[in-house]
Amino acid sequence: TQLLEQSPQFLSIQEGENLTVYCNSSSVFSSLQWYRQEPGEGPVLLVTVVTGGEVKKLKRLTFQFGDARKDSSLHITAAQPGDTGLYLCAGRWMENTGTASKLTFGTGTRLQVTL
Amino acid sequence: KAGVTQTPRYLIKTRGQQVTLSCSPISGHRSVSWYQQTPGQGLQFLFEYFSETQRNKGNFPGRFSGRQFSNSRSEMNVSTLELGDSALYLCASSLFGGAWEQYFGPGTRLTVT
Repeated sequence: TQLLEQSPQFLSIQEGENLTVYCNSSSVFSSLQWYRQEPGEGPVLLVTVVTGGEVKKLKRLTFQFGDARKDSSLHITAAQPGDTGLYLCAGRWMENTGTASKLTFGTGTRLQVTL
Repeated sequence: KAGVTQTPRYLIKTRGQQVTLSCSPISGHRSVSWYQQTPGQGLQFLFEYFSETQRNKGNFPGRFSGRQFSNSRSEMNVSTLELGDSALYLCASSLFGGAWEQYFGPGTRLTVT
């Protein structure tokens, strides 16, 4: 069974602080996605990374795909209360491609940003 | 473009009953995937339908089933409900399906008593 581990599980910080959450696997990804889920809603896609070493920025969010494509990180600069939510990574592994491939979701990092 | 819609949003059922959940994907998307989300297990893949055919299935018992109609709308059925089936059931649509980018609906919160 291929596992996607996220850390930390929970994070509570104050507005203005910076943070990084991690997504790790022992297998190589062909692509990886990050989602944010707010209470009572479904996950919303933030970004997709496909190339080892790739860095993508979305306003105050910076996503990095590891060189070996086994891990990824999400860095938030100057966190705001609106960043509160569950952050999920989801990957497709190299050996799991084609039309029958499916996403496997990580365990999630629950972030709370307070004033 | 309208997003993914799921009905109903909330449902309370009794053990042993059955339930049907509905999902309407984004217009033009032919793939619909279903997920179960619980605090303990996280987001677990149930199955995916593409052009009315089940293309992939997760590790859930046969009590969980689904189907997709010619207009891409999908339904998920759970028979003989158990307390452990209480969860948020999420539907996601995708243009190409598989592990391509998923667009989720708001979910149906099912409580089994």
